[in-house]
Amino acid sequence: DTGVSQNPRHKITKRGQNVTFRCDPISEHNRLYWYRQTLGQGPEFLTYFQNEAQLEKSRLLSDRFSAERPKGSFSTLEIQRTEQGDSAMYLCASGDTANSPLHFGNGTRLTVT
Amino acid sequence: DQQVKQNSPSLSVQEGRISILNCDYTNSMFDYFLWYKKYPAEGPTFLISISSIKDKNEDGRFTVFLNKSAKHLSLHIVPSQPGDSAVYFCVGDSWGKFQFGAGTQVVVTP
Repeated sequence: DTGVSQNPRHKITKRGQNVTFRCDPISEHNRLYWYRQTLGQGPEFLTYFQNEAQLEKSRLLSDRFSAERPKGSFSTLEIQRTEQGDSAMYLCASGDTANSPLHFGNGTRLTVT
Repeated sequence: DQQVKQNSPSLSVQEGRISILNCDYTNSMFDYFLWYKKYPAEGPTFLISISSIKDKNEDGRFTVFLNKSAKHLSLHIVPSQPGDSAVYFCVGDSWGKFQFGAGTQVVVTP
């Protein structure tokens, strides 16, 4: 399977803890995106990378959120000092050239108790 | 700010009939539009796209229409099948930043 892979699929954590999610994109794709989706809403853009460069961050991405993509391959999204409002589905997507579709993973569902 | 608006949260259609999903956008810098389909517990799956220089694109049962002057897109599914029951997202792209609408839940009934 050469699709986008996200781990873990589910994460339950207590408020105040740090969590880290991983995304492995389709290998030949140089663009990588993170989105967040809450119930009844469409995915909200968080950030994206062109190779290892983080090109844009949404204002939704507070200082507690950080994303990396070392060597332009896999990416990690870390949330520090989690809050209940961080509970959501975190989706990763990768893409090839401009004006081509993004391919999504199945997401990591985060529950903060 | 919601740059992509899907004003119908749900749509029920009979199997074999046409499903028409509508989408309006406000960002005139969008140059590429897409529709995605999403089943529960899965990520969105790409369906069909259209460049802003075109007004129609067709792929099998799916056709997307773009009216730039009205800032309006629509997705037609003909004929609708039970497996089409899912949430459909309209997406606009400007400079690699893909903005999603809130989605329309489609239910195809026998």
